[in-house]
Amino acid sequence: RKEVEQDPGPFNVPEGATVAFNCTYSNSASQSFFWYRQDCRKEPKLLMSVYSSGNEDGRFTAQLNRASQYISLLIRDSKLSDSATYLCVVLTTGNQFYFGTGTSLTVIP
Amino acid sequence: NAGVMQNPRHLVRRRGQEARLRCSPMKGHSHVYWYRQLPEEGLKFMVYLQKENIIDESGMPKERFSAEFPKEGPSILRIQQVVRGDSAAYFCASSSFGADKSYEQYFGPGTRLTVT
Repeated sequence: RKEVEQDPGPFNVPEGATVAFNCTYSNSASQSFFWYRQDCRKEPKLLMSVYSSGNEDGRFTAQLNRASQYISLLIRDSKLSDSATYLCVVLTTGNQFYFGTGTSLTVIP
Repeated sequence: NAGVMQNPRHLVRRRGQEARLRCSPMKGHSHVYWYRQLPEEGLKFMVYLQKENIIDESGMPKERFSAEFPKEGPSILRIQQVVRGDSAAYFCASSSFGADKSYEQYFGPGTRLTVT
């Protein structure tokens, strides 16, 4: 079983839509959680750290459910510039980061 | 505060040559990770290093690949006798695991290796 699993998509949504991505992790001892964004042929960039209480940054909301071992990312009012691959990342014991394979989002005019 | 630096950004090698990729972590970061990304694929973990120590190299191919992070200077990923299948983007990331619990990982711009 993979450490981190994501639906690869692709998700194709119109501008202004709300879209949600889910990610599950297998190690219950995982300690920190993140969402990264990767544009084509560029390095991954940290989008949000995910806190137990959930957190919001503008149009982006991240939530963590430890009991069910999943993390979610909600994007409201999608913009064309949101088109990218979104990576779910989990930090486990031993300072090891595990990456999901990414979910592809295309926002359509 | 400069981010993670990688050089060269692009590297072309003929089959059989050696490739050396360099990574300077963010200031204050002592944990370095190397990842490889093949075209149209996800990131694959290769190795995790701290200063002068390899912590986890479970993602490194057993032959031709090595990595180091000396006390002074950048981390080096070395690929000997490169083959076409080594063509990929190699990303370095650093983290601090500091007392402020800033466990976030920051990536460099990557080195794109092309083997001809």
